[in-house]
Amino acid sequence: SQTIHQWPATLVQPVGSPLSLECTVEGTSNPNLYWYRQAAGRGLQLLFYSVGIGQISSEVPQNLSASRPQDRQFILSSKKLLLSDSGFYLCAWAIPAGLGYEQYFGPGTRLTVT
Amino acid sequence: GENVGLHLPTLSVQEGDNSIINCAYSNSASDYFIWYKQESGKGPQFIIDIRSNMDKRQGQRVTVLLNKTVKHLSLQIAATQPGDSAVYFCAQKSGANNLFFGTGTRLTVIP
Repeated sequence: SQTIHQWPATLVQPVGSPLSLECTVEGTSNPNLYWYRQAAGRGLQLLFYSVGIGQISSEVPQNLSASRPQDRQFILSSKKLLLSDSGFYLCAWAIPAGLGYEQYFGPGTRLTVT
Repeated sequence: GENVGLHLPTLSVQEGDNSIINCAYSNSASDYFIWYKQESGKGPQFIIDIRSNMDKRQGQRVTVLLNKTVKHLSLQIAATQPGDSAVYFCAQKSGANNLFFGTGTRLTVIP
């Protein structure tokens, strides 16, 4: 069966510090991978998605970047965090299958920038 | 998307009653829709999906209704239980690879 991991679960970082969040998927090959951010009490904002190794699409201009060094590894990074980067970061994977497909979400990382 | 900045609407129901959560979608060309449940501090979990060639689909205690004429999607939960308390998101397929998520509705079940 497929499993998605995210770490760390929680993170407190000062403004201006770098960031690296990691997401890995097990039990599937060549998945689409996604990074979302969710502010407290709000909806999901798609940040990046990837359809293959080294292929990254950015949905919104921001202080963050993403990389996919391996088929089942997706990394979210920042060189210098801003207060506005605080939020709940969710990684998801999907296999495109015909007309529809489901995205499977990881447990999330709660980031607080102080 | 434009929905992510809005505060969540809320719905409170008595335990044992039926719940109906509504969602209006914008892309009439979308052919696939999903409902997710998100408990506090966790990632969203798949509940049920429906394709545009259907207007109703039933799962265990849940039913999704799709009205393409008015671009409306609803989730019905029968005999609502305290464990159903969560935020519920609708999503529609957007392009070849993405889902576009609605604002979400916070369901609170009163024991």
